[in-house]
Amino acid sequence: SQQGEEDPQALSIQEGENATMNCSYKTSINNLQWYRQNSGRGLVHLILIRSNEREKHSGRLRVTLDTSKKSSSLLITASRAADTASYFCATVGYTGRRALTFGSGTRLQVQP
Amino acid sequence: EAQVTQNPRYLITVTGKKLTVTCSQNMNHEYMSWYRQDPGLGLRQIYYSMNVEVTDKGDVPEGYKVSRKEKRNFPLILESPSPNQTSLYFCASSLLGTGDTDTQYFGPGTRLTVL
Repeated sequence: SQQGEEDPQALSIQEGENATMNCSYKTSINNLQWYRQNSGRGLVHLILIRSNEREKHSGRLRVTLDTSKKSSSLLITASRAADTASYFCATVGYTGRRALTFGSGTRLQVQP
Repeated sequence: EAQVTQNPRYLITVTGKKLTVTCSQNMNHEYMSWYRQDPGLGLRQIYYSMNVEVTDKGDVPEGYKVSRKEKRNFPLILESPSPNQTSLYFCASSLLGTGDTDTQYFGPGTRLTVL
């Protein structure tokens, strides 16, 4: 079953603007990860944030995690046309099988 | 180059004809997993493996089999495919540990159509 819900489902911005995507989840997590998927292709890992971390940066990406609200956000600064893709949050719980439970994704369109 | 490879990338088959989708990783990862991605349902785990000869069911294992005879390979077997197994399949692998080693690396996907 899907753990997370991303918000918004779709986002269209101009190149150079910032894009913010939010993710909510339901159960306790070990960590939360963000992935990017270009139209029907493979998933590319972007960033992982552990449950005891509140914020993490990687290049133009900034991720926050609020475990009390069971939510996370992904900020992409100075977006580029190449950032056009679907973005998914995925959580890993404390069960042994380490399954990633994915949200429904946000489709980001960056207009040149 | 560190990667997860899947073959074939595209497959059209008919109901009941056994098929195997191969998955191989060159990162010496202990953990491997299969997911399927369907519109409106997101990605769901089919099977996973913690190490050689250790496999277990995920969320949607019905109609699938797996094996892990070698660390690098984790094939997905459909003994008698049915149209409801038409989907986009992803193999993933990771180290087993804590923290950032939970990062899972995904293959390019296999688009399967069962007629």
